Amino acid sequence: NAGVTQTPKFQVLKTGQSMTLQCAQDMNHNSMYWYRQDPGMGLRLIYYSASEGTTDKGEVPNGYNVSRLNKREFSLRLESAAPSQTSVYFCASSVLRDRRYSNQPQHFGDGTRLSIL
Amino acid sequence: GEDVEQSLFLSVREGDSSVINCTYTDSSSTYLYWYKQEPGAGLQLLTYIFSNMDMKQDQRLTVLLNKKDKHLSLRIADTQTGDSAIYFCAEKKAGTALIFGKGTTLSVSS
Repeated sequence: NAGVTQTPKFQVLKTGQSMTLQCAQDMNHNSMYWYRQDPGMGLRLIYYSASEGTTDKGEVPNGYNVSRLNKREFSLRLESAAPSQTSVYFCASSVLRDRRYSNQPQHFGDGTRLSIL
Repeated sequence: GEDVEQSLFLSVREGDSSVINCTYTDSSSTYLYWYKQEPGAGLQLLTYIFSNMDMKQDQRLTVLLNKKDKHLSLRIADTQTGDSAIYFCAEKKAGTALIFGKGTTLSVSS
């Protein structure tokens, strides 16, 4: 059972470079999410996609774009990386169909550790 | 308050019970969750409780919910060194994705 798969696991970028983080889930989940985790900050939601074809901003969307390519895949793009975007990025998925309700928790990938110099 | 709040650190001895506390933000939250994160890994769902329950037990884990005080706790019985990790409390409010606390680092010494 692969669950949620993120690639790459590690990446170092220079300021101003662009990068796409990939995420795929094989659980037929409707909803997918991108979080960033910083020391002392917990997890913060960047963007989410309640269903294929829709995306919404989370708490910290600035500097990022997302694409829900199909039901399985949800990518996160940094167009011009900045040192403040150094973080660990987690993708998650759930069967949530209506963001007002949930009876299924989110499943997480193992993270992408991104450093921007 | 606006944030899900947790104490940052907890240190216990192997075999003791651990209690990790959390205060959440909205008494109308439908589900409350506990996640575990081991070093270098993603989050793993430990357990969750629906808001109409006040207790849930799952093997060594006991979750207590006090809706009036918006207080959630996770008790780990017979704590083992393998339980050392960061534990995150999260709440599900209507109209939002999960809101996470900053995590409690549990250190278990032998």
